Amino acid sequence: DVKVTQSSRYLVKRTGEKVFLECVQDMDHENMFWYRQDPGLGLRLIYFSYDVKMKEKGDIPEGYSVSREKKERFSLILESASTNQTSMYLCASKRGYNEQFFGPGTRLTVL
Amino acid sequence: DAKTTQPPSMDCAEGRAANLPCNHSTISGNEYVYWYRQIHSQGPQYIIHGLKNNETNEMASLIITEDRKSSTLILPHATLRDTAVYYCIVRVTGKLIFGQGTTLQVKP
Repeated sequence: DVKVTQSSRYLVKRTGEKVFLECVQDMDHENMFWYRQDPGLGLRLIYFSYDVKMKEKGDIPEGYSVSREKKERFSLILESASTNQTSMYLCASKRGYNEQFFGPGTRLTVL
Repeated sequence: DAKTTQPPSMDCAEGRAANLPCNHSTISGNEYVYWYRQIHSQGPQYIIHGLKNNETNEMASLIITEDRKSSTLILPHATLRDTAVYYCIVRVTGKLIFGQGTTLQVKP
């Protein structure tokens, strides 16, 4: 079974802090994604990566950056966390045109 | 990307079939229909996808109309664990766009 893991289930940070969210997948998928999910807005794509060191902006990249140094790991970085970045963050991976597999999510609260 | 329309909520009795409809009248010829579900506080879970033909797997069946403008996800014997938000998505490849989905409540 594909396994996508995220470093934390719950995270509380202060405004202005730098935040790292880690995602690891164990099925050698080339494509990885970061979404955020907010009530009433559904899932929105932040960034995605189709290969090591490659990244593409999604629909809401502002305030975020990503890093893909190894195929199995995709990191989401909040350079200076703000309260409007309080959300559920979901990582996903897939191979080719196949379905995406999601991690359990990280609920981030920025105070 | 084709837009999908789903009812906001549905109830189903435990043990009965749950039939979740989805309209995607603007779907284009090469767009697949995907279904995911999200159980509270968990990440979305892939269920099934199809292009033209009906599909079945261990979780569900997907019925796509001949004109491909609508589809129905069928959970043949719903259990309490199937209570979740179900998302119908049409997409060629790459990123998925999740709408509001249908909240399915399975009741004992």
